[in-house]
Amino acid sequence: SSELTQDPAVSVALGQTVRITCQGDSLGRFYANWYQQKPGQAPVLLIYGKNNRPSGIPDRFSGSSSGNTASLTLTGAQAEDEADYYCNSRDSSGNHLFYVFGTGTKVTVL
Amino acid sequence: EVQLVESGGGLVQPGGSLRLSCAASGFTFSNYEMNWVRQAPGMGLEWISYISSGGSSIYNADSVKGRFTISRDNAKNSLYLQMNSLRAEDTAVYYCVRIVGVHDAFDIWGQGTMVTVSS
Repeated sequence: SSELTQDPAVSVALGQTVRITCQGDSLGRFYANWYQQKPGQAPVLLIYGKNNRPSGIPDRFSGSSSGNTASLTLTGAQAEDEADYYCNSRDSSGNHLFYVFGTGTKVTVL
Repeated sequence: EVQLVESGGGLVQPGGSLRLSCAASGFTFSNYEMNWVRQAPGMGLEWISYISSGGSSIYNADSVKGRFTISRDNAKNSLYLQMNSLRAEDTAVYYCVRIVGVHDAFDIWGQGTMVTVSS
């Protein structure tokens, strides 16, 4: 089955920039989507496709990709950005469709 | 307001069954593909089941294949997950999730319902 690998944890100083990466074979065929999850809450869609933000998502979040790696960049981190971040993509095996989530990255804002 | 509300979670013994429901509102439910995603305590997100907008296509993760069945009733704006032969490792928060667009973004999530499998 497909896997998406993320660094378990990263930290960033208030106001600084951090990049979260997601690696997996499916990303060579499909774009990654990115989600933010705060403790006790459901995930929220942050970035989808090449670099699209749903309404209400701050523009300090951006996405990019190269080969089998997708990245989420947080520019000018705020205290409220401390959360878990997950990537995901679709994948397929023959006629079978499935979805995979990354292992998750915990972001600490210092 | 676009909303998904899950219900039906609870405590069940190993080998038992449970049926989760998800009530959709604020959008035309029958136009959207839907999924179930779960999250075990302290763990990451795991996709488990997909159903197409009309219900004709269904895909499941290997971890639940043959035990869980996703279904929907578009007339009732509702999504379901029938869970049989439950195991301790099925203990998790279960989320009902809408997907949208060519990139299959999981754009609307319910608040989740907790399922605990324990004797």
